[in-house]
Order: sequence, then C-alpha cells, then structure tokens
Amino acid sequence: NAGVTQTPKFQVLKTGQSMTLQCAQDMNHNSMYWYRQDPGMGLRLIYYSASEGTTDKGEVPNGYNVSRLNKREFSLRLESAAPSQTSVYFCASRNYNEQFFGPGTRLTVL
Amino acid sequence: AQRVTQPEKLLSVFKGAPVELKCNYSYSGSPELFWYVQYSRQRLQLLLRHISRESIKGFTADLNKGETSFHLKKPFAQEEDSAMYYCALNHNAGNMLTFGGGTRLMVKP
Repeated sequence: NAGVTQTPKFQVLKTGQSMTLQCAQDMNHNSMYWYRQDPGMGLRLIYYSASEGTTDKGEVPNGYNVSRLNKREFSLRLESAAPSQTSVYFCASRNYNEQFFGPGTRLTVL
Repeated sequence: AQRVTQPEKLLSVFKGAPVELKCNYSYSGSPELFWYVQYSRQRLQLLLRHISRESIKGFTADLNKGETSFHLKKPFAQEEDSAMYYCALNHNAGNMLTFGGGTRLMVKP
C-alpha cells in the first residue's frame, strides 16, 4: 500500500496563476484533509472532507477550493495564487483516531 | 475556541540528557491529545496519543487537565530523536486536529 500520495512534490507559480494539488489514499478512509505548514505556525487546516461528497472549511480556507472526487481522491485548487500561499501543503486521511499524512507539496508563489 | 501552544520553537540537548517538550492546550470539551513527529525528509507520523497511555521510542506524555498540559518526555535523549515535534488536539467530534506551532528537537552527540 502506498498510503497517502501527493503530486506534485514541488511547484513554482507566478502570482495569479492557478493550479491543482492532487491527493489520493488507498486505505479506504472516509475522512481526508488539506493542511498548510508554515514556520512557527504548525499545520493549519485548510479544508476537510468527512466523507465522499462532503467538504467543509477549516481554519484558513480563503483562496482555496477543494473537490472530493471519490473516496480515494481529494484535490486542492488555487484559482489565483498569491505570494502568501507559499507554503508546504500536506494531505492526510484518517481512520478512527489517527491521521496519516502524505509527503507534502512545496509550493512557491513568486 | 481550541488552541495548542508549544512555547519552545527549538530545544537543544546533549545525547543522554532528559528531554521535555512542552504542550499546553485550551479546549472547553474533553480533550484528546496527540504527539506527531516529522523526521528529516520523512512525512509526519503519529508518535503517541494520550488515550493509549503508551510509551513509544522511550517517549511518554501525561495529560494534566488541571494544568491543561500534555508534555512529551524522554529520560535519555538519543541522536535519532532529532526531529520536529507537533502537539495536536482532536476536536469537532474527532473530525479536526488543531496543531501547535511545533518544537524542533536537536540532540547533540
């Protein structure tokens, strides 16, 4: 099992460009999450999906959209990237009380 | 609102010394707390949870509701313990984790 996978690993965007971060899990988990990791601020929840077909805002949803395409996949979209969105993005899925994380996507917005 | 505070951004100790990484929380409900660890070039992974009352890799953490703390301790640090450590609080019926800002532990030889 691959666990939680994310693509791409690295990305550089110009301000105003759009992109989609992909996440997939093969553990048959219902819940999936997107976080951003910034120095000194830990991980902050952007959006989550408690089950297929549902999504909810987390702590810092502005500037992002998500799609829970099916049980396996949960994508994060930046419609118009801003330098403040430079960060490392982590996807996670959850079983009963443990979250499993992907390897992260390092995004730089110039 | 829920909040997790890790007051130390960096903790540096020598090998064999005791380690305590501090975590304080604020939450109106019954807290469920975790420690996650991120080793260099690896993904974030669960280290331990307070419900299990377990010891993992020599680390323990006790929930102190009176002091609203969940400090992570190890009596004798090893070089391989060097990593980023995050304390996290489970809330909203278990659907969400709130993380602290993280503490980088450096164990010097």
